[in-house]
Amino acid sequence: QKEVEQNSGPLSVPEGAIASLNCTYSDRGSQSFFWYRQYSGKSPELIMFIYSNGDKEDGRFTAQLNKASQYVSLLIRDSQPSDSATYLCAVTDYGGSQGNLIFGKGTKLSVKP
Amino acid sequence: KAGVTQTPRYLIKTRGQQVTLSCSPISGHRSVSWYQQTPGQGLQFLFEYFSETQRNKGNFPGRFSGRQFSNSRSEMNVSTLELGDSALYLCASSPGPGVANVLTFGAGSRLTVL
Repeated sequence: QKEVEQNSGPLSVPEGAIASLNCTYSDRGSQSFFWYRQYSGKSPELIMFIYSNGDKEDGRFTAQLNKASQYVSLLIRDSQPSDSATYLCAVTDYGGSQGNLIFGKGTKLSVKP
Repeated sequence: KAGVTQTPRYLIKTRGQQVTLSCSPISGHRSVSWYQQTPGQGLQFLFEYFSETQRNKGNFPGRFSGRQFSNSRSEMNVSTLELGDSALYLCASSPGPGVANVLTFGAGSRLTVL
């Protein structure tokens, strides 16, 4: 069974620091990788997606993918208290559709002022 | 532009009953997916529909079923409810099934089974 593993946390970082969130996946054939953010009591929202090995940057967020190690990470620079949320890593399952994702259980991030 | 609308938002049922949840996607979106979220298992894929056809189904028992209508609205049904079915059921829509099409989630329907 395909699995996505994340450290459940909580991960606590001070305001302004870099938060590093990690994710590993079991299916070497996985092609597309996503990071979602879920605030408490809210629904998930997409932050970033990455398909190719290497880094992808979007503002304060950087996604890193290493397919050989089956490892995906999300770096949040200059962390803000508003970044406090649960971060979900997801990979595409059969057919490669975003509608059919395998999610990790999420890492809870707390950014302390 | 209205988002993904799920109804009802909250409901309480007893074991053995059945429940139907509804999802109206963003206007113009033709793909609808359903996920179950629980504290223990996290987010788990239930179904994916596109143009009234089920494209994929997750590893859930046959008590879980769904359908999509010609206007892209979708419903899911859970029959013979069990305590373990208590969860947040999330619907998400996208323009189509392609990997580049971003999912937008609704606020969810929180089901409590007593």
